[in-house]
Amino acid sequence: AQKVTQAQTEISVVEKEDVTLDCVYETRDTTYYLFWYKQPPSGELVFLIRRNSFDEQNEISGRYSWNFQKSTSSFNFTITASQVVDSAVYFCALRSRQPMTTDSWGKLQFGAGTQVVVTP
Amino acid sequence: DTGVSQNPRHKITKRGQNVTFRCDPISEHNRLYWYRQTLGQGPEFLTYFQNEAQLEKSRLLSDRFSAERPKGSFSTLEIQRTEQGDSAMYLCASSRSRDRGWGYTFGSGTRLTVV
Repeated sequence: AQKVTQAQTEISVVEKEDVTLDCVYETRDTTYYLFWYKQPPSGELVFLIRRNSFDEQNEISGRYSWNFQKSTSSFNFTITASQVVDSAVYFCALRSRQPMTTDSWGKLQFGAGTQVVVTP
Repeated sequence: DTGVSQNPRHKITKRGQNVTFRCDPISEHNRLYWYRQTLGQGPEFLTYFQNEAQLEKSRLLSDRFSAERPKGSFSTLEIQRTEQGDSAMYLCASSRSRDRGWGYTFGSGTRLTVV
């Protein structure tokens, strides 16, 4: 079975501070995808980033960066120079990349989410 | 491309009543997913369609829940004899099978309150 753990329930920062969100996952699959989604108060889940399990290169996209460590099953996400508009719930998610060999194909396994509050 | 559309946005119903939600996916997306999200939790998978075929159902989908996707376009999720525990946000998402691994596009959800 797959499991995603986001230990941080809520993080509060002042604008322009950096925010790092932790994500630890469990899976028996050898190949998989990891995602970060943002859920603003409107409720819609917004796709932010995706990482393949076989690609551990960490990247930066604008103010977003991520640190994927397969050895520790962690996929942490950082928002640099936070803004008030970044206030939302952030979800880490896991998806199998192995069709027909796992019952988790096609569906996302989400963590419980981390509420980020950015104050001016 | 107007995104994934869900109706209604909010639904309040009395316990024991039946409710039906609708999801209109992005037109060229052949895959459609339903998720349920309770307060303070991440979304949980309910069911998945590829075209009109329902390929997977979660154990969370009790006998009171049924989902359809006639003609492989829009989908409906019906809950019969609603219970207070059914109160949640019901999210729909869609994707294309050839976009292997990409995140889905989610709708804004239908928030159900059972009183």
